[in-house]
Amino acid sequence: DVKVTQSSRYLVKRTGEKVFLECVQDMDHENMFWYRQDPGLGLRLIYFSYDVKMKEKGDIPEGYSVSREKKERFSLILESASTNQTSMYLCASSLFRQGISGANVLTFGAGSRLTVL
Amino acid sequence: GENVEQHPSTLSVQEGDSAVIKCTYSDSASNYFPWYKQELGKRPQLIIDIRSNVGEKKDQRIAVTLNKTAKHFSLHITETQPEDSAVYFCAASKNNRLAFGKGNQVVVIP
Repeated sequence: DVKVTQSSRYLVKRTGEKVFLECVQDMDHENMFWYRQDPGLGLRLIYFSYDVKMKEKGDIPEGYSVSREKKERFSLILESASTNQTSMYLCASSLFRQGISGANVLTFGAGSRLTVL
Repeated sequence: GENVEQHPSTLSVQEGDSAVIKCTYSDSASNYFPWYKQELGKRPQLIIDIRSNVGEKKDQRIAVTLNKTAKHFSLHITETQPEDSAVYFCAASKNNRLAFGKGNQVVVIP
């Protein structure tokens, strides 16, 4: 089974703190994604990556950055956490490369629930 | 970018009845339409998907239909069971980037 592992299930941070959310997948997937899930707003894409050291902005990148130094690891960084970043963060990965049409089946991690006080 | 909308936001059905959730999308170039199910406290998981060259796909009690002209696709669940209670997300994509709808809460009443 494809496994996407998020390092922290629950985090509580203070406003202004720097926050790292780590995600590791073990199936050699090219694509990795960070989503934010809020009630009534669905899944919103923050950033994604199609290859090592490559990143692209999603729909809500403001206040976030990412790092992909190794193929299996994709990190989400909140440089200065704010209360409106309190949310569930979901990492996902998939096989297909950009430009190849067809399915892009996402495998999600269990999520990291971040509370910013 | 792609805009995906789901209706209704909440759906309650009696066990054994059918449930239908409809999604509309805005980009006629989208060519892949998956449905994800998220049970309470769990991660979303793909349950069925359809590509733009197919009008309908079925897998046991679930089916998805696609109307490219009208730019909408629907999830059909027959003979609903309590374990079908969950949030269902539709999505649309081209070039492997998925845009999700806001989700439908389906409640199956025993």
